[in-house]
Amino acid sequence: EDQVTQSPEALRLQEGESSSLNCSYTVSGLRGLFWYRQDPGKGPEFLFTLYSAGEEKEKERLKATLTKKESFLHITAPKPEDSATYLCAVNSGGYQKVTFGIGTKLQVIP
Amino acid sequence: GAVVSQHPSWVICKSGTSVKIECRSLDFQATTMFWYRQFPKQSLMLMATSNEGSKATYEQGVEKDKFLINHASLTLSTLTVTSAHPEDSSFYICSANRDQNEKLFFGSGTQLSVL
Repeated sequence: EDQVTQSPEALRLQEGESSSLNCSYTVSGLRGLFWYRQDPGKGPEFLFTLYSAGEEKEKERLKATLTKKESFLHITAPKPEDSATYLCAVNSGGYQKVTFGIGTKLQVIP
Repeated sequence: GAVVSQHPSWVICKSGTSVKIECRSLDFQATTMFWYRQFPKQSLMLMATSNEGSKATYEQGVEKDKFLINHASLTLSTLTVTSAHPEDSSFYICSANRDQNEKLFFGSGTQLSVL
């Protein structure tokens, strides 16, 4: 059974204080790892897909990296508007089988 | 990017009533849509896979007679929570793939509160 573990569960940063979120996964053949952002009371918003170890993707202040066992979401010089819950998910089988982690709730303080 | 619209955003109902939630793909045809449920401080859990023109596939532990799914067209799937009870109160979210792309696009979610 696929497993996704995210850490920390919650993270509080000062504006401009860079940090990283971790997503550890156990799957039987990774087909894709996804990062999403979710605001309170809203559906997840797609950020990145990573397919193979060594792959990196960037979008504004966010950078996602992937190894064979984990993925990191690096946040550089965050702003208050980056406050949200960041979800990691993996797909290892049929395209409907996507397993989500519990998320990391990020709070960026001005 | 692709847009998935979900309606209503929130609903409050009395115990024993039925509630219908709609999920539409606005700018693409979705052969398959997915329904998730999310309880507070928990991850998204797949409830069922909605297939256009055929019966939905339910995950283990999800009652198909309680959560009725209809996917009558390539742009619309509905989830009906029948005879809702307080324990059904949750955040329900739909999603869809465009073509065979594995990236999921999500609706905005529906917060269901059963009194």
